[in-house]
Amino acid sequence: AQTVTQSQPEMSVQEAETVTLSCTYDTSESDYYLFWYKQPPSRQMILVIRQEAYKQQNATENRFSVNFQKAAKSFSLKISDSQLGDAAMYFCAYRQAAGNKLTFGGGTRVLVKP
Amino acid sequence: NAGVTQTPKFRVLKTGQSMTLLCAQDMNHEYMYWYRQDPGMGLRLIHYSVGEGTTAKGEVPDGYNVSRLKKQNFLLGLESAAPSQTSVYFCASGPSLDGLNTEAFFGQGTRLTVV
Repeated sequence: AQTVTQSQPEMSVQEAETVTLSCTYDTSESDYYLFWYKQPPSRQMILVIRQEAYKQQNATENRFSVNFQKAAKSFSLKISDSQLGDAAMYFCAYRQAAGNKLTFGGGTRVLVKP
Repeated sequence: NAGVTQTPKFRVLKTGQSMTLLCAQDMNHEYMYWYRQDPGMGLRLIHYSVGEGTTAKGEVPDGYNVSRLKKQNFLLGLESAAPSQTSVYFCASGPSLDGLNTEAFFGQGTRLTVV
């Protein structure tokens, strides 16, 4: 079974600075998808960024980028120029290419200091 | 553009009571899911459905039942609620697997407290 681990329960960042969230996963599959979801206090789960395992190029969405290391099974999220609105829980998730279920990590709470 | 809608948003139950959580999606998605979210544990899959009339067990199915009589609706039932089922419940839906659209869309969650 796949597992997803987020080793940082909480991270704090100064506004306008950069923070990196770590995520590692365990799988025997070669083709899969990885996601970062943001959960603000409203509880809504919002997709931040996705990465296809067969793509070597790291995904980027505005201020959010990932460092995907397939051999190391690592998928970190970098938030650049942090804003107050970035404060939330962030979940890393895995999905098999041939599957239909998302497996989530335990989450990392991001605090943004003004 | 409603997306995924969960009903109710909050509920308090007494131990032993039953209830049904309703999830409705208007995106014509094939797949629907029920997750529970507990502190420090992320979201864990309870049950899921890959199409109308089908259901399957997820990671933590005990104490729950589901039904998918209509494509747009996915119901989660608790027959005899227990305090261990106090949690936030999320419904999600997603399109069929085509390699392009892999995103799951989530409802806003239901906070359930069992006393």
